Amino acid sequence: DAGVTQSPTHLIKTRGQQVTLRCSPKSGHDTVSWYQQALGQGPQFIFQYYEEEERQRGNFPDRFSGHQFPNYSSELNVNALLLGDSALYLCASSLRSGRVYGYTFGSGTRLTVV
Amino acid sequence: QKEVEQNSGPLSVPEGAIASLNCTYSDRGSQSFFWYRQYSGKSPELIMFIYSNGDKEDGRFTAQLNKASQYVSLLIRDSQPSDSATYLCASPRAGDSNYQLIWGAGTKLIIKP
Repeated sequence: DAGVTQSPTHLIKTRGQQVTLRCSPKSGHDTVSWYQQALGQGPQFIFQYYEEEERQRGNFPDRFSGHQFPNYSSELNVNALLLGDSALYLCASSLRSGRVYGYTFGSGTRLTVV
Repeated sequence: QKEVEQNSGPLSVPEGAIASLNCTYSDRGSQSFFWYRQYSGKSPELIMFIYSNGDKEDGRFTAQLNKASQYVSLLIRDSQPSDSATYLCASPRAGDSNYQLIWGAGTKLIIKP
């Protein structure tokens, strides 16, 4: 039973560029949430996708956008990268919202903006 | 006041002892709580969840929830060096239309052989 898979694992981008991160949820899960985790901090909620729609969004600018496909996989896009966007980006899948049984996390994408 | 607070540590515990990790929360409407373990450079891994007052045991781990005092704790018995990690406490923000988990910053646990 495959868990949550994320790609790529590491990425180095230049300030101002755009990046796309990908996530395939765990088998049986229908909801994908994206989190940003800075060093020494807990994850910060970016948004959650369910039924191919953004169901809720955290306190992140419009430069952060996403998409969920019919097979439940998801993409996170970040435009006009800033140095402060350097972080570990985590994809978490769940059945429905994850409020009851929590999330399963992927291994993350380490984004470095230079 | 942060919604979910944890002591950042590090908490140093000798091997074989009980490690006690604590988390407090500000929203009395919070219903459920999750403990995640995160090794350095890795993603969080779910250890336990609890939503009823009292204790919940799973192997060497016991989660304790006290809604009146608004704290949740995680006890690790017979601590092993492999338990050395950062432990994150999280809770769904109250309200049916809220889907995000609110996270503490984590407590770094070090088990000394």
